[in-house]
Amino acid sequence: AQTVTQSQPEMSVQEAETVTLSCTYDTSENNYYLFWYKQPPSRQMILVIRQEAYKQQNATENRFSVNFQKAAKSFSLKISDSQLGDTAMYFCAFSSRGDDMRFGAGTRLTVKP
Amino acid sequence: EAGVAQSPRYKIIEKRQSVAFWCNPISGHATLYWYQQILGQGPKLLIQFQNNGVVDDSQLPKDRFSAERLKGVDSTLKIQPAKLEDSAVYLCASSITGDIYGYTFGSGTRLTVV
Repeated sequence: AQTVTQSQPEMSVQEAETVTLSCTYDTSENNYYLFWYKQPPSRQMILVIRQEAYKQQNATENRFSVNFQKAAKSFSLKISDSQLGDTAMYFCAFSSRGDDMRFGAGTRLTVKP
Repeated sequence: EAGVAQSPRYKIIEKRQSVAFWCNPISGHATLYWYQQILGQGPKLLIQFQNNGVVDDSQLPKDRFSAERLKGVDSTLKIQPAKLEDSAVYLCASSITGDIYGYTFGSGTRLTVV
């Protein structure tokens, strides 16, 4: 069974600085999909960024980028120029087919002014 | 595009009572999911529907939880009787079948069992 591990329960960063959230996963699949979701206090899960395992190039969405290391089964999220609105829970998720998403335990990120 | 609608937003019940949650997915999304998110944990899949058929309910505690998706659109998740450990946020999500780009989530229902 696939598992997703987020080893940082909480992190904080100063506004405008950069922070990296870690995620590792375990799978025997060769092709799969990885996601980072943001969950603000409103509770709605918002897709931040996604990565297909067959793509070697790391995904980037504005201030958000990933460092995907397939051999190490690592998928970290980098947030550049952190903003107060980035304060939220961040969940790493794995899916082998696109419809079987499994989540990590989450990292609570606080951006300090 | 309207999002995934869920109601109620909050619910407080006593243990052994019953409760039901409602979800209306995005129009055209054939796949619907119910997740349970206990405080401090990531969401855990309870049940997955494709149209009105169950795809995966392996983690649904069937002695007390039930779910249905009549007509392949709206879905209802029921708990009867509730236990203290059922206190959690219940998230509904939907997706286009075979969509590899992630799901669209609702805002969830926060259940407190006292």
